Amino acid sequence: DTAVSQTPKYLVTQMGNDKSIKCEQNLGHDTMYWYKQDSKKFLKIMFSYNNKELIINETVPNRFSPKSPDKAHLNLHINSLELGDSAVYFCASSPTSGSWETQYFGPGTRLLVL
Amino acid sequence: SQKIEQNSEALNIQEGKTATLTCNYTNYSPAYLQWYRQDPGRGPVFLLLIRENEKEKRKERLKVTFDTTLKQSLFHITASQPADSATYLCALSWNTGFQKLVFGTGTRLLVSP
Repeated sequence: DTAVSQTPKYLVTQMGNDKSIKCEQNLGHDTMYWYKQDSKKFLKIMFSYNNKELIINETVPNRFSPKSPDKAHLNLHINSLELGDSAVYFCASSPTSGSWETQYFGPGTRLLVL
Repeated sequence: SQKIEQNSEALNIQEGKTATLTCNYTNYSPAYLQWYRQDPGRGPVFLLLIRENEKEKRKERLKVTFDTTLKQSLFHITASQPADSATYLCALSWNTGFQKLVFGTGTRLLVSP
């Protein structure tokens, strides 16, 4: 049983296109996250949702728009893709939004913008 | 801004030895410090959490220490095995607002048979 799943696993697209990544967790957690891991393997938070409400929005270009239709799902839509968007995007979840919580990560979506 | 530094160079050790990885931070001590393991092509997996008022935490062959004076955490793997080879990430969070983990750059560990 996959705890946190993401689709697609790989995404290769042209500059200027719009793409979406989907994430689902079956852990019953309240809080979900999107992270970006760049080529140097640095993992940085982008967004966090708690019970469908946006609670963390880091300095991310507004071409990135997260959406949480319910607390088990968090999607990421990216408009007008740029070369610098190439990275691995990880979804994660935690039981609550408390700072003591551990996070459960998905397998990642490898995005390559050509 | 907060900086979290881990050894950028890979750590190579012999099987059976103890691996020690370092996580140093600047500015405010975190309320919680976590260690994660990441294998190539996979997402990070949680290993251990230590609180600011704890000096040491153990789980099987893993041990984490937390020194708020030195602003440093050490992560030890005793009796290391080739299967322990992975990248290890430390992550910090503070008791301010919502859960926001700030990750270090990670250290790659290679355990040779």
